Amino acid sequence: AQSVTQPDIHITVSEGASLELRCNYSYGATPYLFWYVQSPGQGLQLLLKYFSGDTLVQGIKGFEAEFKRSQSSFNLRKPSVHWSDAAEYFCAVGPAYSGAGSYQLTFGKGTKLSVIP
Amino acid sequence: EPEVTQTPSHQVTQMGQEVILRCVPISNHLYFYWYRQILGQKVEFLVSFYNNEISEKSEIFDDQFSVERPDGSNFTLKIRSTKLEDSAMYFCASSVVRAGETQYFGPGTRLLVL
Repeated sequence: AQSVTQPDIHITVSEGASLELRCNYSYGATPYLFWYVQSPGQGLQLLLKYFSGDTLVQGIKGFEAEFKRSQSSFNLRKPSVHWSDAAEYFCAVGPAYSGAGSYQLTFGKGTKLSVIP
Repeated sequence: EPEVTQTPSHQVTQMGQEVILRCVPISNHLYFYWYRQILGQKVEFLVSFYNNEISEKSEIFDDQFSVERPDGSNFTLKIRSTKLEDSAMYFCASSVVRAGETQYFGPGTRLLVL
């Protein structure tokens, strides 16, 4: 069964500092990988995704992530964090095709990011 | 930018009562999903829906749950007789097609069963 591990439950960084959020996955084939962000009271917004090709993917809000097959990782990075980046970040893997017409995502538990001014 | 909407944002109900959670997916999307997140736990897949029928469901999605697309815009999740353990945030999502496409999520409905 596929699974996603986000080992850090809560991270606090200073504004302007760099950020790396870790994500490890377990999946039997080449996965599709996603990072979503959830601000309080908001839905899950897609930051970026990896399907194939270049292993370094760029997303919105200055985020990037690198797919490392050898480490089964898809870590999210940002060179300089802004106070507005404070939110919860979810890594997800898919597909889990077990029948026609389905594409369920498997999520990690999330990492809550706090930003110190 | 089109977005998925959900109503209500919060709902409190008594154990054993029926609840209906509503979602309006993005208009040109064809696949619809429900996920839930129990407080402190992972976001979990419940069900996917395509062409007016369930295409896949998880073991969580038992006979107490049902989904429906009653008209051309709404997508609903019904819990027939709520239990305390149904308390969670419920997310609706939609996508244009299935494999390889991004799922767009709504803001969620927080359900509290007392």
